[in-house]
Amino acid sequence: EADIYQTPRYLVIGTGKKITLECSQTMGHDKMYWYQQDPGMELHLIHYSYGVNSTEKGDLSSESTVSRIRTEHFPLTLESARPSHTSQYLCASRTGGGTEAFFGQGTRLTVV
Amino acid sequence: DQQVKQNSPSLSVQEGRISILNCDYTNSMFDYFLWYKKYPAEGPTFLISISSIKDKNEDGRFTVFLNKSAKHLSLHIVPSQPGDSAVYFCAARPFGNEKLTFGTGTRLTIIP
Repeated sequence: EADIYQTPRYLVIGTGKKITLECSQTMGHDKMYWYQQDPGMELHLIHYSYGVNSTEKGDLSSESTVSRIRTEHFPLTLESARPSHTSQYLCASRTGGGTEAFFGQGTRLTVV
Repeated sequence: DQQVKQNSPSLSVQEGRISILNCDYTNSMFDYFLWYKKYPAEGPTFLISISSIKDKNEDGRFTVFLNKSAKHLSLHIVPSQPGDSAVYFCAARPFGNEKLTFGTGTRLTIIP
């Protein structure tokens, strides 16, 4: 069973607020990812990291930012939330030589 | 441009019978393919994968078939069980590339 955790699971927040979605893994994985998924749609990669102090943008443009100061922690921040940010955000990780990524349970964000 | 396509949004199968989920891709650079299973309000769970050097991989009740010439892969579940009811995502990655591209998913319902 994968040890990757996301908090909060659900978040309803007002427009203009700053939010941080937390993601932590205890597996020592180098690579971490953030995906965004709308209902009935595919998962889109928005950020990824090869390791500490490494962050890259994914295929889907996102106004969010990420940081990777510690191996186990990969938080995602929205400086000013908007209703268009309403979505499910999924964090994942994998080892450098591994193949499959392990996912957290996701954060369902609603911006009102 | 959707590079990984799951053309059946839903599929219903009788318990005990075989479930076959299909996936087509367009990018000939993809060399690694994965299937994930997702329950509502949960993150995706890795099921099975296949490298482009193989045409079949089996793990218990799950078998993935890859037809490179047709750019098609399928997931077979036999026998199907009620706990298999979930959304199944096909995903693919090019060699040496971090970006995992997902399909839109197929909702499988197993009828008791």
